[in-house]
Amino acid sequence: AQSVTQLGSHVSVSEGALVLLRCNYSSSVPPYLFWYVQYPNQGLQLLLKYTTGATLVKGINGFEAEFKKSETSFHLTKPSAHMSDAAEYFCAVSDNSGTYKYIFGTGTRLKVLA
Amino acid sequence: EAQVTQNPRYLITVTGKKLTVTCSQNMNHEYMSWYRQDPGLGLRQIYYSMNVEVTDKGDVPEGYKVSRKEKRNFPLILESPSPNQTSLYFCASSPQGPYGYTFGSGTRLTVV
Repeated sequence: AQSVTQLGSHVSVSEGALVLLRCNYSSSVPPYLFWYVQYPNQGLQLLLKYTTGATLVKGINGFEAEFKKSETSFHLTKPSAHMSDAAEYFCAVSDNSGTYKYIFGTGTRLKVLA
Repeated sequence: EAQVTQNPRYLITVTGKKLTVTCSQNMNHEYMSWYRQDPGLGLRQIYYSMNVEVTDKGDVPEGYKVSRKEKRNFPLILESPSPNQTSLYFCASSPQGPYGYTFGSGTRLTVV
């Protein structure tokens, strides 16, 4: 069975500092991996995804994530945090069995300090 | 504009009173799904549909029903709501394949 673990339900960074949000997954088949962002009172928005090919993927708003198969990780990074990055971030995994069932992590709330 | 539209955004109801949350998408997506979001639990899938007239249970289907009579619509029905169904609900759609979801804005349901 697939699962997703997001380490740290709350992360605080200073404005301009590196953002690192951690995601580890388990999957018996090659996974598809996603990061979503949720701003207050809004639905989730797709930030980036890994399906095949290049393991470093770039998304919107300057975020990127690297798929590391040996570590079963898909951590999200951004070199310099901005106040507008404050939101909740969800990692998700899907399999390639044809059902495209998504499993979401429990989320990490990012706080950006001035 | 490509979007998933849910209604209502907010709903307060009483235990046992049947309700329907509507969901409509204008992107011709085959795949639609309902999730509930609860603090500390992330998003949990209630039901999903891979195409018209094809629906299946997700991880937490008890107390919910769905139907997919048209490609664009995927309503969520609570026939006898209970307080433990108080939650934030999201509808989402996707083309077939690993493209990721487009989410609606959510429906905050309170059952008293």
